[in-house]
Amino acid sequence: EDQVTQSPEALRLQEGESSSLNCSYTVSGLRGLFWYRQDPGKGPEFLFTLYSAGEEKEKERLKATLTKKESFLHITAPKPEDSATYLCAVRMYSSASKIIFGSGTRLSIRP
Amino acid sequence: DAGVIQSPRHEVTEMGQEVTLRCKPISGHNSLFWYRQTMMRGLELLIYFNNNVPIDDSGMPEDRFSAKMPNASFSTLKIQPSEPRDSAVYFCASSLGQGSGTEAFFGQGTRLTVV
Repeated sequence: EDQVTQSPEALRLQEGESSSLNCSYTVSGLRGLFWYRQDPGKGPEFLFTLYSAGEEKEKERLKATLTKKESFLHITAPKPEDSATYLCAVRMYSSASKIIFGSGTRLSIRP
Repeated sequence: DAGVIQSPRHEVTEMGQEVTLRCKPISGHNSLFWYRQTMMRGLELLIYFNNNVPIDDSGMPEDRFSAKMPNASFSTLKIQPSEPRDSAVYFCASSLGQGSGTEAFFGQGTRLTVV
């Protein structure tokens, strides 16, 4: 069964304390892996797409990496405004190319 | 482009009433998704359209739920009759179905409360 698992469920960091969020997936035929940011009361906001193992994407303090089984979202020297829920999603070649989401990691950055 | 537009933003209805949620996808996108988000279950895919045709509705919880996409610029999700357990935030998302633009872009959601 296609599955996406994120860890940890919640993460509290001090401002400037770097860390990583994990997304592991079990799918048949990965078409793309996506990272989103979601703020309270809003829809998920697209951050990155990764297509193949070894690929990396960066945006400000965020860097996403991909292996054959998992993806990491590295946060370097985070600021309070980086506090949000980060969601990982995958799109498969099978299952009519639908997109399924993990349960997310709630990130809180203390000043 | 204004992005994916959903209406209404909030809906409060009584149990047993019909509820219709609306979505206008991004122009040029040919894939459209309806998701439901709750604290307990996260983001669940309800149904997925490609070129206005329903491709996968395996996530639709029961026959009370139905979705249509009469044209490339409009979709509806209907719940009839509504029940308190349907209370959630419903998101619509759209994407290009092919090539490099496979990521989905979301609307702001409709917060549904059934009392």
